[in-house]
Amino acid sequence: KNEVEQSPQNLTAQEGEFITINCSYSVGISALHWLQQHPGGGIVSLFMLSSGKKKHGRLIATINIQEKHSSLHITASHPRDSAVYICAVETSGSRLTFGEGTQLTVNP
Amino acid sequence: GAVVSQHPSWVICKSGTSVKIECRSLDFQATTMFWYRQFPKQSLMLMATSNEGSKATYEQGVEKDKFLINHASLTLSTLTVTSAHPEDSSFYICSGSGSREQYFGPGTRLTVT
Repeated sequence: KNEVEQSPQNLTAQEGEFITINCSYSVGISALHWLQQHPGGGIVSLFMLSSGKKKHGRLIATINIQEKHSSLHITASHPRDSAVYICAVETSGSRLTFGEGTQLTVNP
Repeated sequence: GAVVSQHPSWVICKSGTSVKIECRSLDFQATTMFWYRQFPKQSLMLMATSNEGSKATYEQGVEKDKFLINHASLTLSTLTVTSAHPEDSSFYICSGSGSREQYFGPGTRLTVT
């Protein structure tokens, strides 16, 4: 079993839909990161959180430390949101362990 | 956010040659830099962690003599793939950290023929 599990692996949505991507982990962490990777490969850090909830524009990330679970929500999805979304947990020394990623496709 | 650059963005080399990839933090001092490798359709795998001025710490299964990492300054780390083989073909990504945040480079695609 991977230390970081994401679901779903693939997600197709229509423009405007509300999207949720889930991440569960099995180790003790100091923080959890949500990352976005576009087809060219470049990675953008979306959120780093260790408790509660963060919001940036149409993106919302939540984490429940007791349940070892985090969710990434996208409101009013748009085709430009199409990308791979990766959950990564931070353990000792800022070391990151990554989930397999969720391929999101938003159709117009 | 902070910017990390990588050079080159892509490189093709012949089997047996060495390739150097540079990772620079452009607007912050990266006390720690991380090197990752990503194979197609797979997630990132941490290869090594380097702190400025000290030897890199390699993950289990990563050959330190094959993947040479140098972190000589707070803004530059290099990864040299020595005696490259086709199985080293991959996407290599670095990230830099000055505090809690990690900032990722755009990646370098290495193809070994």
